[in-house]
Amino acid sequence: KAGVTQTPRYLIKTRGQQVTLSCSPISGHRSVSWYQQTPGQGLQFLFEYFSETQRNKGNFPGRFSGRQFSNSRSEMNVSTLELGDSALYLCASSPLQGASEQYFGPGTRLTVT
Amino acid sequence: GENVEQHPSTLSVQEGDSAVIKCTYSDSASNYFPWYKQELGKGPQLIIDIRSNVGEKKDQRIAVTLNKTAKHFSLHITETQPEDSAVYFCAATRDDKIIFGKGTRLHILP
Repeated sequence: KAGVTQTPRYLIKTRGQQVTLSCSPISGHRSVSWYQQTPGQGLQFLFEYFSETQRNKGNFPGRFSGRQFSNSRSEMNVSTLELGDSALYLCASSPLQGASEQYFGPGTRLTVT
Repeated sequence: GENVEQHPSTLSVQEGDSAVIKCTYSDSASNYFPWYKQELGKGPQLIIDIRSNVGEKKDQRIAVTLNKTAKHFSLHITETQPEDSAVYFCAATRDDKIIFGKGTRLHILP
């Protein structure tokens, strides 16, 4: 089975812009979770989608949003980018809703200048 | 709030020796404890996990132990090899909530 794929792999944006990241889960997986990884804060949970519905949300501002399509693919959007949004954004898929057995993609490296 | 403490932050071991990484969690309702390995330029890879009804689990050179009373769990890697060099993350989860440790950078010395 193909693993989790994320596009693009690298992205450079300017403060104030918005960005959309894409994630394709492992075939058959219906849960997609998003994480932000930074050297200072480590891995932090953003939100989880299951069957096109957001099931769980972390402590991030409303500028961070997402959605999931009927084929389980997911997108994450960040509006009004700030310098502090520079990070590796990871997507993980799971066959089940919730936090168990997650399989991560390679991530999208976002740099905000 | 809930947190997961992971130690050490950096660990260097001679090739062939064992490595141990320890994590402590605060949420007593946590019931699933995965370990991830992250190599440079890649996403975290699930290497082993343990559930709260089990005390120990082994998979070849990797083992994980869980002490629910003390709320800590450990990753043991025996006969370390150069390809074990990576950053390792522990996590504690319950239902839909997962909290990661800050990671341990493991260096395998030749």
